[in-house]
Amino acid sequence: DGGITQSPKYLFRKEGQNVTLSCEQNLNHDAMYWYRQDPGQGLRLIYYSQIVNDFQKGDIAEGYSVSREKKESFPLTVTSAQKNPTAFYLCASSIAGFGSNQPQHFGDGTRLSIL
Amino acid sequence: SQQGEEDPQALSIQEGENATMNCSYKTSINNLQWYRQNSGRGLVHLILIRSNEREKHSGRLRVTLDTSKKSSSLLITASRAADTASYFCATEDKAAGNKLTFGGGTRVLVKP
Repeated sequence: DGGITQSPKYLFRKEGQNVTLSCEQNLNHDAMYWYRQDPGQGLRLIYYSQIVNDFQKGDIAEGYSVSREKKESFPLTVTSAQKNPTAFYLCASSIAGFGSNQPQHFGDGTRLSIL
Repeated sequence: SQQGEEDPQALSIQEGENATMNCSYKTSINNLQWYRQNSGRGLVHLILIRSNEREKHSGRLRVTLDTSKKSSSLLITASRAADTASYFCATEDKAAGNKLTFGGGTRVLVKP
């Protein structure tokens, strides 16, 4: 069954702590994305990767970091520099990147809260 | 800032009725996409309409695009309780390297 798996579903962060959100896809998609969703809001782009070993900052990259060492995996680290990390984080993938007229496929999200 | 703005922000209808929501955007686009999100879940892609297309259908869904007015509409016909969700439009914005920019969504409640 192809899809995108995000883990964990819920995550709690202490002050000063870095946390890493996992995103794995078995769709053989080249492009992967991380979005942040605040309550009652749309999605905002954090980082994206259009091909393995390459990634770009989105609109709200400050306080976040990513890596793309494998095609299937695009983990997101929320660092202690992100002062307001409480949000719903969504990972997505697509066959090809922006401008390719391809839809994005989403995981079921990770809800991050501050302890 | 948000490229797409949905209207209305919330919509409540009876099962069997049609639901229409609109999306307006500001700049030149490559395509416009509609997604559905059930509470606490990820987004599900519904329809992608390219800038040179005017109308697309998928089952009970109909999407129109008017690039001269920079607007799109999503019509759900014969709605069902299972259609209760938030619906988002998203545009691939040419001025922003075709990055996908989402609106704030329309929350639809279909009452049985």
